Amino acid sequence: ETAVFQTPNYHVTQVGNEVSFNCKQTLGHDTMYWYKQDSKKLLKIMFSYNNKQLIVNETVPRRFSPQSSDKAHLNLRIKSVEPEDSAVYLCASSLDSFQNTLYFGAGTRLSVL
Amino acid sequence: AQSVTQPDARVTVSEGASLQLRCKYSYFGTPYLFWYVQYPRQGLQLLLKYYPGDPVVQGVNGFEAEFSKSNSSFHLRKASVHWSDWAVYFCAVWYQGGRALIFGTGTTVSVSP
Repeated sequence: ETAVFQTPNYHVTQVGNEVSFNCKQTLGHDTMYWYKQDSKKLLKIMFSYNNKQLIVNETVPRRFSPQSSDKAHLNLRIKSVEPEDSAVYLCASSLDSFQNTLYFGAGTRLSVL
Repeated sequence: AQSVTQPDARVTVSEGASLQLRCKYSYFGTPYLFWYVQYPRQGLQLLLKYYPGDPVVQGVNGFEAEFSKSNSSFHLRKASVHWSDWAVYFCAVWYQGGRALIFGTGTTVSVSP
């Protein structure tokens, strides 16, 4: 049963545009994450929030910015997309930020033309 | 550096045959270990997880994994593969004090009739 919801499923845009992806979890978890999955299926952590506070901020370009209004929502904005941003962006949540199971959404597939 | 390695990028197995997927980690302590599966166009789903204790862990859909501290490994097994097991399998580690799951490169399992 899906409990981490991501919108949109797909997004096609052109270089230089701004895009925003939404993520909502209904599990009552404290921690949420954004992962990037490239065309080779490699998964890289980008950001993590615990109770609306940023706790993980990996080396990602500054055009990426996470936004959290409450602990159930974690959005991702890309200010000016580049071709290398084409990927699947996976949102996940966990009970807290310590060694817990992650629950994933279905992902948002971004194509940059 | 802490890391997790899946040496096999792709494995092809006949339906009904047994399956073993390899995972090795690099860490001086005892990590928390996970196996996730990703079906086409979906997010990741948890198969099983290891917290320090019994080295053999049972998961969903007939999967099990065995932790070996001496070999720094956490291999996944299934006695009889079904066509629905066609997917990408990820090994992941959460190091003590870490704030996110670190994933291996994934192993694609193809099932032949």
